[in-house]
Amino acid sequence: QVQLVESGGGVVQPGESLRLACVASGLTLSSYGMHWVRQAPGKGLEWVAFLETNLRSEYNVDCVKGRFTISRDNSKNTLYLQMNRLTADDTAVYFCVRNRGDPGVPGNHFDSWGRGTLVTVSS
Amino acid sequence: QSVLTQPPSVSGAPGQSVTISCAGSSSNIGAGHGVSWYQDLTGTAPKLLIYDHNSRPSGVPGRFSVSKSGTSASLAITGLQAEDEAHYYCLSYDSSLSIWIFGGGTKLTVL
Repeated sequence: QVQLVESGGGVVQPGESLRLACVASGLTLSSYGMHWVRQAPGKGLEWVAFLETNLRSEYNVDCVKGRFTISRDNSKNTLYLQMNRLTADDTAVYFCVRNRGDPGVPGNHFDSWGRGTLVTVSS
Repeated sequence: QSVLTQPPSVSGAPGQSVTISCAGSSSNIGAGHGVSWYQDLTGTAPKLLIYDHNSRPSGVPGRFSVSKSGTSASLAITGLQAEDEAHYYCLSYDSSLSIWIFGGGTKLTVL
């Protein structure tokens, strides 16, 4: 049974930083590409970042703008999202999601989602 | 930023059928990139519903099916049930933007 549990969310002021964590069980993170997806209150889903098995990363440049870094610790089977210079627009629930299939190839999909962690950026 | 366009809402009575469209372009759906669909029930995490050529995770009933034509894809739900009331999102990869993109989401109301 795959389980992804996010943590690290909270209330921060604009300009501050947060590091989100996603602990995985029932799977070995280093064997899968992993994403962070976010959902602002009352809004739709927005893809944020992707980490491949070979540690190559991709970002939604429009929303990240060089402020976020995705990484993982194999020894802890944990995925991270370091978020710097946060703004009110980053307020959202952040989901850790497993990727299946090669990016852009038919059959590519996101098959396992965590329950999310809420990040609120407010002064 | 949605370059996948979905209708904001659809509705149907129990037992009826509805279709949710997802209009893309030649750099995403039209380029042959995978399209998948997600169900977002209020208060829970989004769930993979269906992907590719009608591949469904275990537990997803056959009432849900997908089709694709050119630069668009559609999710069809037959035999509507009250528990189908949710938001539905399509997802594809866009090779010109080098990002995954979700549609704006469609709220399904079961009357």
